[in-house]
Amino acid sequence: SYELTQPPSVSVSPGQTARITCSGDALPNQYAYWYHQKPGQAPLLVVYRDSVRPSGIPERFSGSSSGTTVTLTISGVQAEDEADYYCQSADSSGTLAVFGGGTKLTVL
Amino acid sequence: EVQLVQSGAEVKKPGESLRISCLASGYTFTNFWIGWVRQMPGRGLEWMGLIYPGDFDTRYSPSFEGQVTISADRSISTAYVQWSSLKASDTAMYYCARGTYYYDSSGSRRYYYGMDVWGQGTTVTVSS
Repeated sequence: SYELTQPPSVSVSPGQTARITCSGDALPNQYAYWYHQKPGQAPLLVVYRDSVRPSGIPERFSGSSSGTTVTLTISGVQAEDEADYYCQSADSSGTLAVFGGGTKLTVL
Repeated sequence: EVQLVQSGAEVKKPGESLRISCLASGYTFTNFWIGWVRQMPGRGLEWMGLIYPGDFDTRYSPSFEGQVTISADRSISTAYVQWSSLKASDTAMYYCARGTYYYDSSGSRRYYYGMDVWGQGTTVTVSS
């Protein structure tokens, strides 16, 4: 079955830049989506179609794609950004969606 | 306001059946698909499958195929996921969420798998 691979954890100090990667063989041909999830809350879409930010999402959130890796970048991290982050995409045929395992972002 | 409102928490015994719901409001139900996502305690998100209410096209992740049934009732803008025989391992939070689609150059419907609106989640506990 198709898998997306994320680092289990990323730690940054406030004001620094956090980069969370997601790797998968089909990513060159399938869009990626990013969500954050805070404890006790539903996930929230923060980037769609690789690099588009939904209305209401702060500009410090951005997405990029290069080959089999997509990256969520959070510039000027704030304490409120501490959350679990998940990438999502589809397999090469585009018929099966899958989530990455999630990355816990800790703001030191 | 666009909303997905899910049914309340459930406590069931192994072997029992269950159907949980997701009521859509604030948009045209058939203009978006509805997906279901499982999150087991302390674990990550797992995509279960989706239904497009326009023609009831349904897709399942292989991990959930045959384990659950996803359905929808257009007349009341509600999607469902149901189990015929619950197991303790079905204990989890279940979310519904909506997504968009497009038609490719051959006229086939293709799904954008990103989900922009989520329900609040339904906790399902299965215990003897």
